[in-house]
Amino acid sequence: SQQGEEDPQALSIQEGENATMNCSYKTSINNLQWYRQNSGRGLVHLILIRSNEREKHSGRLRVTLDTSKKSSSLLITASRAADTASYFCATDVGSYTGANSKLTFGKGITLSVRP
Amino acid sequence: KAGVTQTPRYLIKTRGQQVTLSCSPISGHRSVSWYQQTPGQGLQFLFEYFSETQRNKGNFPGRFSGRQFSNSRSEMNVSTLELGDSALYLCASVPDGNSYNEQFFGPGTRLTVL
Repeated sequence: SQQGEEDPQALSIQEGENATMNCSYKTSINNLQWYRQNSGRGLVHLILIRSNEREKHSGRLRVTLDTSKKSSSLLITASRAADTASYFCATDVGSYTGANSKLTFGKGITLSVRP
Repeated sequence: KAGVTQTPRYLIKTRGQQVTLSCSPISGHRSVSWYQQTPGQGLQFLFEYFSETQRNKGNFPGRFSGRQFSNSRSEMNVSTLELGDSALYLCASVPDGNSYNEQFFGPGTRLTVL
């Protein structure tokens, strides 16, 4: 079953614009992660935010987490054509001992960045 | 370090056959997880192996099985293939000591069942 639900399902923007993607989830989590997938290939880890964090930055990426609303957002600033991909949020409900390497993914957001 | 490798990359089988997929994690990673990705169901967790032991299992029928070898390489097997097993199968490895579970994915094996 899907834990995360991303919103919107598809997003089309112009190069240079910002892209905001949202993710909602159902149960308590230890951390939430965002991944990118290019054209049916493997997933690439983008950023991880722990349940006790509210905001995190990595390069052009900014992720926020609101555990009271069980939601997260991923902002990509100054988008590029190379950012065109599918983006997934994934939740980890396991313990911090690392004894549960199971992620539950949303269905993904298709981002198209027009040159 | 070399990334996660999966073989074969593409596979075509017919209904009723069985298939074995292979995954080699990043050197030093002992945890390997498998996921199935389909357009309808999205990414779904199959199972996870750590030090040759299955540590977690998703909600898949018993036709889906796996194992892990002493060098951390993992295989998954699907017996009596059905059309609905057509999917991209992804494996991921996790570094030892990573309490926060960032996963490194391979390129996937695209299985088509005819």
